[in-house]
Amino acid sequence: GNSVTQMEGPVTLSEEAFLTINCTYTATGYPSLFWYVQYPGEGLQLLLKATKADDKGSNKGFEATYRKETTSFHLEKGSVQVSDSAVYFCALSKSGAGSYQLTFGKGTKLSVIP
Amino acid sequence: DGGITQSPKYLFRKEGQNVTLSCEQNLNHDAMYWYRQDPGQGLRLIYYSQIVNDFQKGDIAEGYSVSREKKESFPLTVTSAQKNPTAFYLCASSGTEYEQYFGPGTRLTVT
Repeated sequence: GNSVTQMEGPVTLSEEAFLTINCTYTATGYPSLFWYVQYPGEGLQLLLKATKADDKGSNKGFEATYRKETTSFHLEKGSVQVSDSAVYFCALSKSGAGSYQLTFGKGTKLSVIP
Repeated sequence: DGGITQSPKYLFRKEGQNVTLSCEQNLNHDAMYWYRQDPGQGLRLIYYSQIVNDFQKGDIAEGYSVSREKKESFPLTVTSAQKNPTAFYLCASSGTEYEQYFGPGTRLTVT
């Protein structure tokens, strides 16, 4: 079945440091890939997405590239801020007809210190 | 503004009582979902509905029930059969694209 594996956290970085959160997936067909962010006590917000191989999703300085050859969708940001402290979830959609379900990774908690 | 609302934000119940969590969306989305979130376990799908009057079990449906009488609403009932109901519950919806949009969540505590 489909699965998503994220690097385990927590990840603690100093402000302006470079961020990478690794995400690899197992899926049949051609899934779409997503990164969601969850701030404390809130629901999930879509951060970025990519729907086919070699697509790059980007938003708010975050980027991730859909790499089919390595089945990866790593999240990167060049310079993190304290306000980026949150839990980040990688997810994929089932491909094919009726593809409404998302499979989530377990989440990676990021703490950015001044 | 379009979005998903969940109420209440915090809910407390005694063991043995059924409780219903509300989820409403005004995004005109056909599909709606319920997830359970526990610390360190990510999100697990409880139920989902692709159209009105139809819904499917997710990975952890035991002890839960849902209804979908209106496109905008997808309430979740946590029954007394759910062995460990204390958790953070998230509702989501999706339209023609695969991304899902989430509500703010309801934190349920059962004692």
